[in-house]
Amino acid sequence: RKEVEQDPGPFNVPEGATVAFNCTYSNSASQSFFWYRQDCRKEPKLLMSVYSSGNEDGRFTAQLNRASQYISLLIRDSKLSDSATYLCVVNSPARSYIPTFGRGTSLIVHP
Amino acid sequence: DVKVTQSSRYLVKRTGEKVFLECVQDMDHENMFWYRQDPGLGLRLIYFSYDVKMKEKGDIPEGYSVSREKKERFSLILESASTNQTSMYLCATQPGAYSNQPQHFGDGTRLSIL
Repeated sequence: RKEVEQDPGPFNVPEGATVAFNCTYSNSASQSFFWYRQDCRKEPKLLMSVYSSGNEDGRFTAQLNRASQYISLLIRDSKLSDSATYLCVVNSPARSYIPTFGRGTSLIVHP
Repeated sequence: DVKVTQSSRYLVKRTGEKVFLECVQDMDHENMFWYRQDPGLGLRLIYFSYDVKMKEKGDIPEGYSVSREKKERFSLILESASTNQTSMYLCATQPGAYSNQPQHFGDGTRLSIL
């Protein structure tokens, strides 16, 4: 099993839709979790950290499920500008806190 | 805001050349990383450094070396460039050794080896 797994997609949704991605991780000792956004041919940029109690930033909601070892990202009222690849990142003491990246989930929002 | 600057956005080199990619950060972060990113393979860690003059191999160090003589600068060296090293190279920084903090990335260097 890969350390961090994501469905590559693409998720193809209309503007205004709600879309959710999951990311599973294999190491139960993992301690910190993040979602990054990467536009085509650009660098990854931090979208949001994921906290145990779940957290929200505008249209974006991140949640952590430690029992099932996954994190999720929910995007409400999708915009065309949300089209990007979303990368899941996990830090674990088992890897000396070196971030482990998923391969990303592609989102395409169409008019 | 963290500023991570990579020396070149685009670079074209020839097979066998020695290639230097530079990364400079302005936030006094202890940790610095070099990744390459290829379609379908995601981000792969080449080398990282927790401190000046310290370096650790990542998942794919073969064909690469690094140098960290100053805290703010981390260089990636392709000793003898080969065509399979054509890729997008990304530098990242992170505050604190053994840190739970997120990374910050530079703009990336698109390197083509002919």
